[in-house]
Amino acid sequence: DIQMTQSPASLSASLGETVTIECLASEDIYSNLAWYQQKPGKSPQLLIYYANSLNDGVPSRFSGSGSGTQYSLKINSLQSEDVSIYFCQQNYDSPPTFGGGTKLELK
Amino acid sequence: VQLVESGGGLVQPGKSLKLSCSASGFTFSSYGMHWIRQAPGKGLDWVAYISSSSGTVYADAVKGRFTISRDNAKNTLYLQLNSLKSEDTAIYYCARSFFHYPGYWGQGVMVTVSS
Repeated sequence: DIQMTQSPASLSASLGETVTIECLASEDIYSNLAWYQQKPGKSPQLLIYYANSLNDGVPSRFSGSGSGTQYSLKINSLQSEDVSIYFCQQNYDSPPTFGGGTKLELK
Repeated sequence: VQLVESGGGLVQPGKSLKLSCSASGFTFSSYGMHWIRQAPGKGLDWVAYISSSSGTVYADAVKGRFTISRDNAKNTLYLQLNSLKSEDTAIYYCARSFFHYPGYWGQGVMVTVSS
């Protein structure tokens, strides 16, 4: 199975700050990567697919980038509603696998 | 898109349970569907997938114990859980495919395996 390693595991940032979350795949996943946001007590929601495509309704302050084995999620101008756990997921090979998650909190 | 899971609960190790996911707001028969689980306080763990033509794929951890199925006439997805273990304790989410990703998620249903 392809292993997905997210970093950092937790992150504390201030309102208005820019934050970046990284995801490293154990092999090339050819941009078959998604990012999900899970707010406390809620189900996950798809933010980004194919590494850099923004899902409908997702604020433009979210962006994804990367290729090969290295991918990142960037949140510009952090808002209070962005407090969540973020997960990456590869869809290149079966089984689909998720990263361990990054918990984003406000400083 | 609305997905509503049901059928969860407390079950003893070795027993069985059947989860349902009622779908509405889209043409259910046209989409692949996923089951994904999340143990309390843990990350996401993909469980199984069924295509629109009913082809199935399973995670190794559940292969031979869980069965995913669908009834397009009832707009319902199922997950039959047999030979349950304590490590199967989790919230189980169904999700509709979006470009093969789990794009739309239900609210989840809790399964607790304990004696």
